[in-house]
Amino acid sequence: ETGVTQTPRHLVMGMTNKKSLKCEQHLGHNAMYWYKQSAKKPLELMFVYSLEERVENNSVPSRFSPECPNSSHLFLHLHTLQPEDSALYLCASSQDVPGGQYNEQFFGPGTRLTVL
Amino acid sequence: QKEVEQDPGPLSVPEGAIVSLNCTYSNSAFQYFMWYRQYSRKGPELLMYTYSSGNKEDGRFTAQVDKSSKYISLFIRDSQPSDSATYLCAMSPGDDMRFGAGTRLTVKP
Repeated sequence: ETGVTQTPRHLVMGMTNKKSLKCEQHLGHNAMYWYKQSAKKPLELMFVYSLEERVENNSVPSRFSPECPNSSHLFLHLHTLQPEDSALYLCASSQDVPGGQYNEQFFGPGTRLTVL
Repeated sequence: QKEVEQDPGPLSVPEGAIVSLNCTYSNSAFQYFMWYRQYSRKGPELLMYTYSSGNKEDGRFTAQVDKSSKYISLFIRDSQPSDSATYLCAMSPGDDMRFGAGTRLTVKP
C-alpha cells in the first residue's frame, strides 16, 4: 500500500448504529487530519493530530470521536449520527514542521457515508 | 462573508479550450495558495502551489495570485477530457488551511 488509504470506501448506517472509519498513512508523516466534504461546500476540518496528540477540534459534535493510536493510524468512531452527517469523510496526512510553515497534505480516497 | 469564495459551477468546455478557475478570499494573512484536483471517487491531490503573489507555470497549468485584490486563478491551456474533475482552491497563513467549495469542470471531446 502506498500513500493514504481509507476503509471502508462506502458505509451505510442507521442513526442508532455504531461504526468506525479507518485511515492509514504509509508516508512517514507525523500529522493526520479528518475532513468532512459535503456537496458544494468547502472541506470542513474536523480534527488534527500531531505526533499522536490532538491539537485541534473544530467544535465537532460529540457523536464523532477520533482516535490516533500511533502516527500511522487514525480512526473516526461514529455513533447516533444524523442524516445531515451524510458526506464524504477524507483523511489526510502531512509532515508537521513547527514555525507555521505550510506543509503539503496528502489525502486518502475518502469514505462515502450515508446515514439513513 | 465567507473566508474563501469559489463558484461551484458546473463548468463545461470543449476540448482544447482555455479554462479559467478563480477564488477570492478575505483574510490578508494568507500567504500560501494551492490548487487541488479531485477526480470522482478520489481524494484531492495537490496540483499547484504558490507562495505570496505572482505566477507559476507547470505545463498546461498556470497559477496566478494577486494579493492586492485577494484573488487567485488557475488557467488550463489546451484542456483535455482527462482534466475533467473538481478543482479546489486552498490557502493558508502558514499552519491552517481553508478550502473553497470546488468548481466541477467537464471537458467535452
